[in-house]
Amino acid sequence: EVQLVESGGGLVQPGGSLRLSCVASGFPFSDHYMDWVRQAPGKGLEWVGRIRNKANSHTTEYAASVKGRFVISRDDSQKSLYLQMDGLKTEDTALYYCAREKSANFVWDYWGQGTLVTVSS
Amino acid sequence: SYVLIQPPSVAVAPGTSARITCGGNNFETRSVHWYQQKPGQAPLLVIHYDSDRPSGIPERFSGSKSGNTATLTISRVEVGDEADYYCQVWESVDNPVVFGGGTKLTVL
Repeated sequence: EVQLVESGGGLVQPGGSLRLSCVASGFPFSDHYMDWVRQAPGKGLEWVGRIRNKANSHTTEYAASVKGRFVISRDDSQKSLYLQMDGLKTEDTALYYCAREKSANFVWDYWGQGTLVTVSS
Repeated sequence: SYVLIQPPSVAVAPGTSARITCGGNNFETRSVHWYQQKPGQAPLLVIHYDSDRPSGIPERFSGSKSGNTATLTISRVEVGDEADYYCQVWESVDNPVVFGGGTKLTVL
């Protein structure tokens, strides 16, 4: 059974940093592109960024709203995905989901349950 | 920037069909994907590549596209289908992912 479990969310002040983690199980993690998608309270879905698999050099892409502040990384040996968030803003407050791309095509067939990040003073 | 337009809400009676639309430009060259999100849950992929249904999704869920409008149709709607539904496309290298604003389906 495919499982994605996020952790690391919490309350942080504006300008602060936070590192989210997502542990995967039940599938060959190293083969898949992985993404972070967020959802502000009561709002819609917003893509944050993706990291490709090892065959594609673990390269990354980011949404314009987070580029330069967020960094996605992965550790295939630990089946883990990470999101380092620096320079946090109040508008980054959201539930952050880790999601698996079905076939390197920006279509997500499995999602975690999310971890909540609140940016507030 | 590229925008996908969805109606904020759709309400239908149980046993009838619900149609949720998603409007955008240049749909001829884009594949549309649909996600269902029930309250307190993560999104679930229900239709990909306009009309393909992932394994495990009931046949009651179908997708279509015509011109600049994609439609998610849910036949024989059940109370358990109440959820927010989002359409999504790949837009460009500079703006890869665009989601619609979401449609709240209410089963009366």
